[in-house]
Amino acid sequence: EVQLVESGGGLVQPGRSLKLSCAASGFTFSNYYMAWVRQAPKKGLEWVATISTSGSRTYYPDSVKGRFTISRDNAKSSLYLQMNSLKSEDTATYYCARRLPGNVMDAWGQGASVTVSS
Amino acid sequence: DIQMTQSPSSMSASLGDTVTITCLASQDIGNYLSWYQQKPGKSPKLMIYGATNLEDGVPSRFSGSRSGSDYSLTINSLGYDDEGIYHCHQYYEYPNTFGAGTKLELK
Repeated sequence: EVQLVESGGGLVQPGRSLKLSCAASGFTFSNYYMAWVRQAPKKGLEWVATISTSGSRTYYPDSVKGRFTISRDNAKSSLYLQMNSLKSEDTATYYCARRLPGNVMDAWGQGASVTVSS
Repeated sequence: DIQMTQSPSSMSASLGDTVTITCLASQDIGNYLSWYQQKPGKSPKLMIYGATNLEDGVPSRFSGSRSGSDYSLTINSLGYDDEGIYHCHQYYEYPNTFGAGTKLELK
């Protein structure tokens, strides 16, 4: 069974940093692109980042480019999201997701809550 | 960026009804469109991918279709378990974008 478990969320002050982790199991992690998607309270979904199988290619929307960094450790079957210079608008539940070869995201974690507030 | 205009934003229907949710893409996305169901406090669940393909384990009451830039999710024989928020998602190009969501409630 595919499992994705996020951790590392919490309350952080504006301008500070936070790193999320996602532990994967039930599939060969190194064979899949992975992604982060967030959802602000009572809002829709927003794609945040995608990383290739080796980690050599990463993709971000303009809203987080230069502040967020996606990375992975295939030996540990783990995905990460380093978030710097956090803003109140980054407050959201962050989901890690597996991307199939056709680019659709088929499996999602339960989410990690991030609140940016002073 | 590709805009996905989803409608309606909310709807209420009765048990056994057929409902349709639509997403209009601002530019060509081919069939790179998926639909997700999200229950309160839960993560999104993939229902349809490639505009028309049913994900494994999803009831055949769910179907996806495309007419030009309009993409639709249809649910036949509505049941209580179908309540939730439905999201469309284009993965044709970066940045991937989602519709604003449709909240489906049963009367």
